[in-house]
This record gives sequence, structure tokens and C-alpha cells, in this order.
Amino acid sequence: EVRLVESGGGLILPGESLRLSCAASGFTVSDAYITWVRQPPGKGLEWVSLTYSGGDTYYPDSVKGRFTISKDTSKNTLYLQMNNLRVDDTAVYYCATGSGKFDYWGQGTLVTVSS
Amino acid sequence: QSVLTQPPSVSGAPGQRVTISCTGSSSNIGAGYDVHWYQQLPGAAPKLLLYRNNNRPSGVPDRFSGSKSGTSASLAITGLQAEDDADYYCQSYDSSLSGLVVFGGGTKLTVL
Repeated sequence: EVRLVESGGGLILPGESLRLSCAASGFTVSDAYITWVRQPPGKGLEWVSLTYSGGDTYYPDSVKGRFTISKDTSKNTLYLQMNNLRVDDTAVYYCATGSGKFDYWGQGTLVTVSS
Repeated sequence: QSVLTQPPSVSGAPGQRVTISCTGSSSNIGAGYDVHWYQQLPGAAPKLLLYRNNNRPSGVPDRFSGSKSGTSASLAITGLQAEDDADYYCQSYDSSLSGLVVFGGGTKLTVL
């Protein structure tokens, strides 16, 4: 059974950094098409990053240069390193996986950026 | 502003049929990319509802169907039930430089 569990969210000051984790089970992250999607409070879904089995990574302009997606295959875990956080990065962050579509989602972790 | 445009809200009475549109452009839906649909119940993570335009994952009732034409796609729900009251999102891909994965802004379905 595929399972994704996010962690690492919390309250953080603008300009600081945070690393989110997504622990995977039921599949191998090294072979996966896996993404981070966020949802600001009361708003819609926004794609944040994507990585393929080959290791290529992709980001939207809103986070490019600030966010980095990576994998630790020994822990079967996906990470999202978020630097220079802004107030408008406040959201629930989900990891999700599938094959071109996102079949499986974690429960999300809340990141609040506020002074 | 979302790259894919959805109506903010739709509503219908139990048993009725509703449709939710998802309008894109020549760089995403019109370029031939598939459209996927997600349902998000209050307080829950999104759930894949339809994939590759009109395919249902195991467990999704056949009351849900999808279509795609040109630069748009749509989700149809027949025989509305109270548990369909949720947010619905379309998702596709985009060949422009600003982003790869694109979502619609979401549509709140209210079952009256």
C-alpha cells in the first residue's frame, strides 16, 4: 500500500529557511514521479516542485531559486528545502505521487510564515 | 490567477446533474496534454477523481465522467448526492516556461 507522510511544518519568520520531509512507503522514491503541491488557507492548489526518476527537477517561477526538491533513497524520503520564506508561502504543503497524475497524496503539513 | 480557469462555484439539488468546466489555452490543454480531476472534501487532502480526461480510478462511481475538447475540459456529475459537496480541481501540464504542472483555481460544489 502506498503511503506518504509529510512532516517539518511550523511557524517561521520571513526570510528564514525550513525543510519539509515526505516519508514514503509502498514504493521507491528513486523510481518515482513525485511532487510537492501547496494550498494557502482558504485557497486553491498550487504546484511547487516535481522530480522524475531520472533526477530532473522542476519548479514554477514563484519558488524557483528559493525551493529545492531532493530525495534520500536510503530513507525512502522526499525533501523540500525552502529558503528565504515569504508570508505568501504560508500554506499546507502536500507531497503526491503517481504516473503523470497524482494518485496518492499525503495528509499535508502546515507552514506558517509570519512575523 | 490560475492558468486553468474554473467557475468558483456550482450548485445542484440531490439527483440533478452538474458540470464543471476547465478552460486552458494552446500551451496546455490545447497542446494535447491530458486533464486530471481531483476532489477535495473539507479538511482532507485532494483525491484523484478522474485521470487522462475521462478515466475513473477504482472505487470512483460512474456518476463522475469527464470530457476534453480543444482548449477545455469538463467534469460531469450525475445523480448528485450529499457526499459530493466538495471542492473540485482540474490539473494538466503546460509547455510554457513559467510552469510545468498547472491546476485550475478550483470549484466549490454545493449540494442544495
